[in-house]
Amino acid sequence: ETGVTQTPRHLVMGMTNKKSLKCEQHLGHNAMYWYKQSAKKPLELMFVYNFKEQTENNSVPSRFSPECPNSSHLFLHLHTLQPEDSALYLCASSQVGSNNYGYTFGSGTRLTVV
Amino acid sequence: AQKITQTQPGMFVQEKEAVTLDCTYDTSDPSYGLFWYKQPSSGEMIFLIYQGSYDQQNATEGRYSLNFQKARKSANLVISASQLGDSAMYFCAMREANTGNQFYFGTGTSLTVIP
Repeated sequence: ETGVTQTPRHLVMGMTNKKSLKCEQHLGHNAMYWYKQSAKKPLELMFVYNFKEQTENNSVPSRFSPECPNSSHLFLHLHTLQPEDSALYLCASSQVGSNNYGYTFGSGTRLTVV
Repeated sequence: AQKITQTQPGMFVQEKEAVTLDCTYDTSDPSYGLFWYKQPSSGEMIFLIYQGSYDQQNATEGRYSLNFQKARKSANLVISASQLGDSAMYFCAMREANTGNQFYFGTGTSLTVIP
């Protein structure tokens, strides 16, 4: 596999459930990110991991819990979500320090909280 | 202030015609990068083109070119010879050297190519 892979592609969960989103990058990048994309809003940066260390947490509620066990994998653990958390969750990776480190995105997980 | 502004929520273009998607940005950092991404209905964000703040020439990638006007702080995307597969959301983004990893994204422009 190449690029950035996200699973699952679609997820429907109740407000009392616990689920996890998975992201895997096959590009040898050293940074990974979680973004939230809601309808008619700009992409919201949630978490940044640089060399497996979390470097940013943009005031994200504690019901979202990231985990980065190694530089290739990133998880987003979800528990007791609210309906307003329904959105497209995008994972991205980049090579920080290169001349042009644009993001490579995954296909996203479309989350619906019922 | 918004870091990235895209003022066209929706655009239509005839197949085979050219279209320009507008993007203005706000930064005081002399070193920055500008990016355009395409997001089809499938959800994936696809990188299209990059322009560095010190690049002397406008970036081009196939049918995509970036009209970089530094003094006006604009970085418009030009798509030539539009194809039906170009119908998608298009996002302009910026990374500043002094804010490290963070990208700033605009609200996007929805492009529809009409046969």
